[in-house]
Amino acid sequence: ETGVTQSPTHLIKTRGQQVTLRCSSQSGHNTVSWYQQALGQGPQFIFQYYREEENGRGNFPPRFSGLQFPNYSSELNVNALELDDSALYLCASRVGLNNEQFFGPGTRLTVL
Amino acid sequence: QKEVEQNSGPLSVPEGAIASLNCTYSDRGSQSFFWYRQYSGKSPELIMFIYSNGDKEDGRFTAQLNKASQYVSLLIRDSQPSDSATYLCAVNIGGATNKLIFGTGTLLAVQP
Repeated sequence: ETGVTQSPTHLIKTRGQQVTLRCSSQSGHNTVSWYQQALGQGPQFIFQYYREEENGRGNFPPRFSGLQFPNYSSELNVNALELDDSALYLCASRVGLNNEQFFGPGTRLTVL
Repeated sequence: QKEVEQNSGPLSVPEGAIASLNCTYSDRGSQSFFWYRQYSGKSPELIMFIYSNGDKEDGRFTAQLNKASQYVSLLIRDSQPSDSATYLCAVNIGGATNKLIFGTGTLLAVQP
C-alpha cells in the first residue's frame, strides 16, 4: 500500500463536459503530482503542487487545473473534455530526499 | 530524440533466467532514476531507484547506472512468471518541479 488513494476508480464522460478527479495522500506528503497515462504510453507529467501552490507544469493546456488542500488531498479538474483526454490519471506523492514518488491506483477516464 | 527511451518489447525470457531491461536518457543533468513495474490495468509500482553510478541491488533486482553513457538498466534474476509486466524507466532532472519523465515501458513476459 502506498498510502495514496484516488476516486473515482472509473469514469465515463462525454466530449465537452467537465470532470473532477480526487487524490488523498498520507499526512506529511506535502507535494503531489498528477500524471496522465494514455494507453501504451508512459505517464506524462501534468503538474505538481507543493503546500497548496502549483510549482510546476507540463505541456498541458489551461483547461487542466488543480487544487491542493491543507489535509493533503488534491483535485485535478479538466474542462471541455476532448476524446484524447481518455487515459489513466495518476497522482503521486513525494517522499524524502530521493524524490521517490508513489502512485495511487489511478482513475480511468473515458471520454465518448 | 525522446527524452527517455526504452525498447517496447516484448522481452520474453524463460522462468529462472535473468531479464535485462535497458533505458537511455537524453538530459545529462538528470539526477535520479527510477524503475516502476506496471501490471496490466494497474498503476505503476516503484521497485528501484538509483542516483549514483554503479550497481544497486535489492533482492532479485539490480539497477545499474552509467551517467557517462546516459544509460540505466534493470536486471531481474531468477525471473518468475509473476514478474511479467511492463517496466517503466523514469528520470528526474531536478529543479523545483521534481517531475518524472517516463519512457514508454518495456513489456516483459516470463515463460513458465
